[in-house]
Amino acid sequence: RKEVEQDPGPFNVPEGATVAFNCTYSNSASQSFFWYRQDCRKEPKLLMSVYSSGNEDGRFTAQLNRASQYISLLIRDSKLSDSATYLCVVNIQGYQKVTFGTGTKLQVIP
Amino acid sequence: GAVVSQHPSWVICKSGTSVKIECRSLDFQATTMFWYRQFPKKSLMLMATSNEGSKATYEQGVEKDKFLINHASLTLSTLTVTSAHPEDSSFYICSARGVATNEKLFFGSGTQLSVL
Repeated sequence: RKEVEQDPGPFNVPEGATVAFNCTYSNSASQSFFWYRQDCRKEPKLLMSVYSSGNEDGRFTAQLNRASQYISLLIRDSKLSDSATYLCVVNIQGYQKVTFGTGTKLQVIP
Repeated sequence: GAVVSQHPSWVICKSGTSVKIECRSLDFQATTMFWYRQFPKKSLMLMATSNEGSKATYEQGVEKDKFLINHASLTLSTLTVTSAHPEDSSFYICSARGVATNEKLFFGSGTQLSVL
């Protein structure tokens, strides 16, 4: 089993739709979690951290479920500019190791 | 967020030459830097992790003698692709973090390497 798994998609959604991605992790010692977005042929950019209590930033909501070992990202009112690949990042075994999911591709359609 | 600068953005070289890529943290001390490569439409692949002042830890299958990594200071890491071949053509990205980034990774803008 991969340490961090994501559905690669693509998720094709119309503008204005709500879309959610999940990311599962296998190591229960994982301590911190993040969502990044990566545009084609660009570097990943931090979208948001994921906190145990859940957190929201505008149209984006991130949640952590430690019991089931997954994190989620919810995007409301999708914009064309949201089209990208969304990567979940998990810090495993404390500070030393960082693991990326393979990414979920989102395509928002006019 | 923190700023990581990566140069060059793209490079074209002849087969057999060596190419050096620099990754600098501009506004924080990067205790750890990571190097990745990414093929078109594929996911990031971690190549190695480097901690300042110590030898890099390479992922399985990555040749340390071919991909030389140096992290001699808290703001600079370099990746040298030695004797590059066409199959080394790829997008190389660095990322960095330190105490000031609170475990978040910040990425350089990447280097597109094309080996003829």
